[in-house]
Amino acid sequence: DVKVTQSSRYLVKRTGEKVFLECVQDMDHENMFWYRQDPGLGLRLIYFSYDVKMKEKGDIPEGYSVSREKKERFSLILESASTNQTSMYLCASTGIINSPLHFGNGTRLTVT
Amino acid sequence: QQQVKQSPQSLIVQKGGISIINCAYENTAFDYFPWYQQFPGKGPALLIAIRPDVSEKKEGRFTISFNKSAKQFSLHIMDSQPGDSATYFCATAGGTSYGKLTFGQGTILTVHP
Repeated sequence: DVKVTQSSRYLVKRTGEKVFLECVQDMDHENMFWYRQDPGLGLRLIYFSYDVKMKEKGDIPEGYSVSREKKERFSLILESASTNQTSMYLCASTGIINSPLHFGNGTRLTVT
Repeated sequence: QQQVKQSPQSLIVQKGGISIINCAYENTAFDYFPWYQQFPGKGPALLIAIRPDVSEKKEGRFTISFNKSAKQFSLHIMDSQPGDSATYFCATAGGTSYGKLTFGQGTILTVHP
């Protein structure tokens, strides 16, 4: 079974802090994604990566950046956390085209 | 930004009943329509998916109905069970990557015993 592991289940950070959310997958997937989940808004794509050191903006990239130095690891960075970034963050991966998206269990981030 | 509109926002069904969740999309280039199921504390997981060359796909108690001309698709859960209580998301994608999904707003399904 594919496993996508997000390093933290819950995080509480202060406004202005730099925040790192880590994600690791164990299936040698080329493609990795960061989504944000908010009630009534569904899941919205923040950034994605099709290869090591490659990244592309999703629908809501403002205030975020990403890093993919190794194939199995994809990090989401909040350069200066703000209260409107309080949310559930979901990492996902997929292999070749036509294969389903595999999600981690999420990191619930609270910015105070 | 492409949109996918999902309804209803929440749904309460008695055990044994039929649950129906609807989605409408805008972009006719979409060619992959999955449904994801999410239990509390877990990430979403693929439930069932359809491509536009068929109008219906059935897997056990779960059926996707697809109406290409209306740009709508729906999830039907037959003989709904309390274990089906979860949040359901429709999604759409097109092109060569089925990982870059656009999701609906989600439906919280509660099945009463």
